[in-house]
Amino acid sequence: DQQVKQNSPSLSVQEGRISILNCDYTNSMFDYFLWYKKYPAEGPTFLISISSIKDKNEDGRFTVFLNKSAKHLSLHIVPSQPGDSAVYFCAALQNRDDKIIFGKGTRLHILP
Amino acid sequence: EPEVTQTPSHQVTQMGQEVILRCVPISNHLYFYWYRQILGQKVEFLVSFYNNEISEKSEIFDDQFSVERPDGSNFTLKIRSTKLEDSAMYFCASSHDQILARFADFGPGTRLTVL
Repeated sequence: DQQVKQNSPSLSVQEGRISILNCDYTNSMFDYFLWYKKYPAEGPTFLISISSIKDKNEDGRFTVFLNKSAKHLSLHIVPSQPGDSAVYFCAALQNRDDKIIFGKGTRLHILP
Repeated sequence: EPEVTQTPSHQVTQMGQEVILRCVPISNHLYFYWYRQILGQKVEFLVSFYNNEISEKSEIFDDQFSVERPDGSNFTLKIRSTKLEDSAMYFCASSHDQILARFADFGPGTRLTVL
């Protein structure tokens, strides 16, 4: 039961360009969507979130867009930097639940 | 900056043995979680814990699993009789309250290998 799907296992982007990571979901009851970043040998680190009542949230180089009608969200990183190379997890949760539902992750490679 | 810590970083055990994975959540946090990630799979919720009891658990969290907060700082996950399919990365997380669960801080994980 994949409620949160990240269909691209990996993505390579030139340094300085825009990285766009995509995510689809099936459960229309989610209240929040989140992006986590994970380096090897570390736990997931919260990056940015968006409430289901919004369509955009921006924090520095990171912007998350939510399209509820398409059940799709994306994370934009601009400009991409070498330190952005990591695995990015899309995730979601409902306020009534404790659990965060994760996607499988997308490995982002920033090329010099 | 305070962080969630986990020990050991890697645990190797024989099938059928009991293992205890340890976590020290952030000191003023009240909600505690265990997640796991089987190699190549997604991170999956196992259990949440608040006020010394389980508040929610997934179908993965069967009778072989238990959690405990034995003192004011540690939060443990016990697997009574490990199976091969329990091999995974286990992440502990904590948050200050339920509403802020989405901002939970994750530990670095314990890699459990069951032989």
